[in-house]
Amino acid sequence: SQKIEQNSEALNIQEGKTATLTCNYTNYSPAYLQWYRQDPGRGPVFLLLIRENEKEKRKERLKVTFDTTLKQSLFHITASQPADSATYLCAPYNQGGKLIFGQGTELSVKP
Amino acid sequence: DTAVSQTPKYLVTQMGNDKSIKCEQNLGHDTMYWYKQDSKKFLKIMFSYNNKELIINETVPNRFSPKSPDKAHLNLHINSLELGDSAVYFCASSQAEGARGYTFGSGTRLTVV
Repeated sequence: SQKIEQNSEALNIQEGKTATLTCNYTNYSPAYLQWYRQDPGRGPVFLLLIRENEKEKRKERLKVTFDTTLKQSLFHITASQPADSATYLCAPYNQGGKLIFGQGTELSVKP
Repeated sequence: DTAVSQTPKYLVTQMGNDKSIKCEQNLGHDTMYWYKQDSKKFLKIMFSYNNKELIINETVPNRFSPKSPDKAHLNLHINSLELGDSAVYFCASSQAEGARGYTFGSGTRLTVV
């Protein structure tokens, strides 16, 4: 069955460091993969999309990589700030028209 | 102006009751979705509508019935509520298959007692 795995443990880092979150998927061949941010009590907010033919995508302090051989996407936040603290969700999209979400990784950035 | 709005935000009801959650989007998107987020934070797709037509119907009990009167609205009606239905329900919308991302509402927290 299709499976998505993100770092199950919460990630605690110091302000100014780079946070790296991992998303692994199995039994999938996603056409693209999206990353979302979710704050407590709110809906997910779209951050970035990367297509299967792209290796890397950047947006301000965010960088996403996509390795279709390893079946993995990495999400980086450089120069992290306490305001970056949230849960980050990866979501591969398959040709069946479904965006399937991982369980998310909780990031905490300490000042 | 809220892009995707859901009502109510909170819903507490007894087992066996029937309830509805409403969703409206003002983004001009042609596809709308219902997702369920359980206590373990997994976000699972339930339904997807494109221009009022059902295109995704996951393995959801038939007590759940979505209705899309037009492409800006997607409501969710739940019959005979059970304790296990307690969760946060999110409505979302996208243009076509969502290559520019989905826009989510703020969620409806349903508690069945």
